[in-house]
Amino acid sequence: AQTVTQSQPEMSVQEAETVTLSCTYDTSESDYYLFWYKQPPSRQMILVIRQEAYKQQNATENRFSVNFQKAAKSFSLKISDSQLGDAAMYFCAYRSETSGSRLTFGEGTQLTVNP
Amino acid sequence: GAGVSQSPRYKVAKRGQDVALRCDPISGHVSLFWYQQALGQGPEFLTYFQNEAQLDKSGLPSDRFFAERPEGSVSTLKIQRTQQEDSAVYLCASSPRPLLGTDTQYFGPGTRLTVL
Repeated sequence: AQTVTQSQPEMSVQEAETVTLSCTYDTSESDYYLFWYKQPPSRQMILVIRQEAYKQQNATENRFSVNFQKAAKSFSLKISDSQLGDAAMYFCAYRSETSGSRLTFGEGTQLTVNP
Repeated sequence: GAGVSQSPRYKVAKRGQDVALRCDPISGHVSLFWYQQALGQGPEFLTYFQNEAQLDKSGLPSDRFFAERPEGSVSTLKIQRTQQEDSAVYLCASSPRPLLGTDTQYFGPGTRLTVL
């Protein structure tokens, strides 16, 4: 079974600085998809960024980028120029075609942004 | 357009009561998912519908949990004889088609269930 691990329960960053959230996963498959979701206190999960495992180029979305290391099974999220609105719980998630439509989530990292 | 909505937002039940949680997906969305999120944890998959067909219910923790989507739109998650370990946030998500690749799931705000 696939597992997703986020080893940092909490992280903090100063406004305008850069922070990196870690995620590792365990799978025997070669074709899969990885996601970062943001969950603010309102609880509504919002997609931040996504990556196909077959793509070597790291995904970027404005201030958000990933460092995808397939051999190491690592998928970290970098947030540049952090803003107060970035404060939330961040979840790393995995999906593969053979695992059906389910997303497998990590335990989450609570990000605090200090003014 | 409206997003995924869930009702009620909060539900308190006494142990042994039955509860029903409702999910209204985005109009026209084919795929619908239920997840259970315990306090301080990531969501865990419960079940998946494609239109009215329940294609995967492998995540349902016991036969006390039952989900339906009879007309392929609104879905209800029913929990019978609730127990304290059922206390969690129940998230619903929908997607416009059967998932392909990095298709996203659009999540609702969840229902927080507390079983006393």
